[in-house]
Amino acid sequence: DVKVTQSSRYLVKRTGEKVFLECVQDMDHENMFWYRQDPGLGLRLIYFSYDVKMKEKGDIPEGYSVSREKKERFSLILESASTSQTSMYLCASRSRFTGGWSSYNEQFFGPGTRLTVL
Amino acid sequence: GDSVTQMEGPVTLSEEAFLTINCTYTATGYPSLFWYVQYPGEGLQLLLKATKADDKGSNKGFEATYRKETTSFHLEKGSVQVSDSAVYFCALSDTNYGGSQGNLIFGKGTKLSVKP
Repeated sequence: DVKVTQSSRYLVKRTGEKVFLECVQDMDHENMFWYRQDPGLGLRLIYFSYDVKMKEKGDIPEGYSVSREKKERFSLILESASTSQTSMYLCASRSRFTGGWSSYNEQFFGPGTRLTVL
Repeated sequence: GDSVTQMEGPVTLSEEAFLTINCTYTATGYPSLFWYVQYPGEGLQLLLKATKADDKGSNKGFEATYRKETTSFHLEKGSVQVSDSAVYFCALSDTNYGGSQGNLIFGKGTKLSVKP
């Protein structure tokens, strides 16, 4: 089974701190994703990565950065955490997307990190 | 751009009741459609999918049919159980050419609670 793990289930940080959220997958997937999940807003894509050292902005990248130095690991960084970044953060991975409109490679999700910024 | 609209929750049902969660979409091209489920305290899991018009996805007693004419992908189950209590997300794969093609676009989620 594909396994996507996230470094923490729960995290409490203070405003202004630098926060690192780590995600590791064990299926040699090329693509990795970071989402945030908020009640009434669903999942929103923050950043994604096609492959090592590659990254693309998603829908809400402001206030976040990412790092992908190794294929299995994708890190989300909050340079200076704010209370508005209190949320559930979900990581996902999938094999390389190569198809057209009707093609799809399943995304596999980690259990999430619930971050509270005080 | 592409988008997904699903019915607002929460939905509360008694065990063995019939479930429908509505989902409609707008897309430039011909997306694949999905239902994901999130059980309490867990990440999302793919529940079922359909990749072309008139396809029916099914899993664990849940079904959804890809209706191109009504741009819909409603989730149904004939008899829900307490263990089905979860948040359900409708999603499509982005059809726009470019870097985001194939990425998932999610609805806002519908929380289902099933009472014994």
